[in-house]
Amino acid sequence: GQSLEQPSEVTAVEGAIVQINCTYQTSGFYGLSWYQQHDGGAPTFLSYNALDGLEETGRFSSFLSRSDSYGYLLLQELQMKDSASYFCAVCPPYNQGGKLIFGQGTELSVKP
Amino acid sequence: EPEVTQTPSHQVTQMGQEVILHCVPISNHLYFYWYRQILGQKVEFLVSFYNNEISEKSEIFDDQFSVERPDGSNFTLKIRSTKLEDSAMYFCASSERRTNPGQGGSGYTFGSGTRLTVV
Repeated sequence: GQSLEQPSEVTAVEGAIVQINCTYQTSGFYGLSWYQQHDGGAPTFLSYNALDGLEETGRFSSFLSRSDSYGYLLLQELQMKDSASYFCAVCPPYNQGGKLIFGQGTELSVKP
Repeated sequence: EPEVTQTPSHQVTQMGQEVILHCVPISNHLYFYWYRQILGQKVEFLVSFYNNEISEKSEIFDDQFSVERPDGSNFTLKIRSTKLEDSAMYFCASSERRTNPGQGGSGYTFGSGTRLTVV
């Protein structure tokens, strides 16, 4: 099976850098994804790592280390609008349906 | 930007009643999904649907749940006899291809959800 663990809450100030970690126990997966959710609305795709290493997309970067069963999302130059919940997710291998398995989510609060 | 549309946005129903949640996936997408999120908890997979049949379902998706694609555009989730614990946000999603929906470029898109409250 798959389980993903994230901190429940993180607080940071505007302009700062914050890292949200995701550790996982899984029998295998295609890659690690990150989704953002504002106020219980639609999860929106942020970033994806198929291979180990860092992927950068503007202010957001994501990292994966399969050997350490660990990944993180890095948010730079934090803005108030970044206050949201962030979920890591994996797609299990060999499944026919294309489902995503989500972590519990990290609520990020950005303070002025 | 194409959207997945869900209606209604809120639904209140009495325990034991049937509810149908509606979704209009993105028009050229072939794979359809339902997820749910109990307040304050993670998003959980319910079911995936392709070529007019269920591809995979979770243990949550028991006999009280069913899905249909009644026409070329709608994708519905029915709960036959609602329970208090069915209260949650229900998200529909669609993708244009099956391979690794977690990857950007697969077009995997979530709708804004239906908040179901069972009283």
